[in-house]
Amino acid sequence: QSVLTQPPSVSGAPGQRVTISCTGSSSNIGADYNVHWYQQLPGTAPKLLIYTNNNRPSGVPDRFSGSKSGTSASLAITGLQAEDEADYYCQSSDISLTGSVFGGGTKLTVL
Amino acid sequence: EVQLVESGGGLVQPGGSLRLSCAASGFTVSTNYMTWVRQAPGKGLEWVSVIYSSGSTYYADSLKGRFTISRDNSKNTLYLQMNSLRVEDTAVYYCARTINAFTWYFDLWGRGTLVTVSS
Repeated sequence: QSVLTQPPSVSGAPGQRVTISCTGSSSNIGADYNVHWYQQLPGTAPKLLIYTNNNRPSGVPDRFSGSKSGTSASLAITGLQAEDEADYYCQSSDISLTGSVFGGGTKLTVL
Repeated sequence: EVQLVESGGGLVQPGGSLRLSCAASGFTVSTNYMTWVRQAPGKGLEWVSVIYSSGSTYYADSLKGRFTISRDNSKNTLYLQMNSLRVEDTAVYYCARTINAFTWYFDLWGRGTLVTVSS
C-alpha cells in the first residue's frame, strides 16, 4: 500500500482529455516535496514524463502536463492517442520513509 | 549514446545471493546519483537503493540490510549485491540515473534484468 494513491485505471477515447490523480498527505506532497511522473509502455522500462511537478523533458509532447496543489498532484493528457496506452506512475518523497516513493500506478486504456 | 544496461539476473533459490550490474555509457556513474528500482511481476514500481556521488548509500527500510549498492568507477558500472534472497524479491530490477532536485527523479533508465527467486 503506497503512501501515494492513484486510481488503478482510467480510460478515454482518442482525442479526449484524461487526468490521473496522485493523492498524498502532509508528510509527502503536502510537505512541499516535488512530484514526478513516469510512463511505462507495455513490456518496457519506465520513462520520465514530467519532472518537478510540471516540467517536460525534451521530446515529451506538450499534450502531457502536470500540476500540484496541496496534498495532491495530477497528470493531464490531452488529444489522447492510441500510443498513450500505458501505465503511469507518480513519484515523490515522504518525511517518514527513506528514499523515494511511487504511487501504485494507473493503467490508461484508450478506447 | 547515453544508456544503461543491466545484467546478472536469473533464477536463484531462496536464501541465495546474486549480484546485478548496470553498465553506463555516455556519462559518468561516479559523478551522478544512481538508483535501483524494482518491479514485481504485474505490480508497481518500488524504490530499492541509491548511491550518492559522494559514495553515501541508502536503502529501502524493507530490505533490512540484505542488499548492498556499490559502484566501480574504473568500469563505470553500478552494482547491487543481493543476499538472503526471498521469494518476494522476485522482480525486474532497473537501474536509473538520478537527478537530485530536492526530490529525486530518474531521468534515464535501463531495460531491467529479471531476478526470479524460487526453489
